[in-house]
Amino acid sequence: DAGVTQSPTHLIKTRGQQVTLRCSPKSGHDTVSWYQQALGQGPQFIFQYYEEEERQRGNFPDRFSGHQFPNYSSELNVNALLLGDSALYLCASSLDAGRTDTQYFGPGTRLTVL
Amino acid sequence: GNSVTQMEGPVTLSEEAFLTINCTYTATGYPSLFWYVQYPGEGLQLLLKATKADDKGSNKGFEATYRKETTSFHLEKGSVQVSDSAVYFCALSDVSTNAGKSTFGDGTTLTVKP
Repeated sequence: DAGVTQSPTHLIKTRGQQVTLRCSPKSGHDTVSWYQQALGQGPQFIFQYYEEEERQRGNFPDRFSGHQFPNYSSELNVNALLLGDSALYLCASSLDAGRTDTQYFGPGTRLTVL
Repeated sequence: GNSVTQMEGPVTLSEEAFLTINCTYTATGYPSLFWYVQYPGEGLQLLLKATKADDKGSNKGFEATYRKETTSFHLEKGSVQVSDSAVYFCALSDVSTNAGKSTFGDGTTLTVKP
């Protein structure tokens, strides 16, 4: 049973560029949430996707956008990158829009913005 | 809104010592509480959880009890090993209000020396 997978593992971009991160949820899960984890801090909720729609959003600017595909996989897009966007981006999957309380996390994508 | 506060780290212990990592929370609803562990360069792994007051979560010798009266969920282990060295995150998820969005503390780094 495959767990949550994310790609790429590492990414280096420069300020102003755009980036796309990808996530495949755990088998049987239909909900994907994205988190940003800055160095030395806990993960911060970006948004959640269910039934191909954004269901909840944290306190992140519109430069952060996402998408969910019919197979439940998801992408996180960040436009106009800033140095402060450097972080570990974590994807978490769950079942039924989070009405079950447990999320399973992927290994993350380490984004470095120069 | 919801929040989680963890004891500040880092924590350094000798092998076989007793571990306590304090966690308190603020929530408007009836959250489930979690401890996650993050090893260097990896994503988050669910360590244990408790879904209602007085529940005790346990796994791999770690345990934590959901204390509603003190809004706490302290992590304990009777005898730590070098392999327990990692960052530990306390988190809450309130499916009644936030559809599974998780709120995390800032993490506590544990180093166990032989």
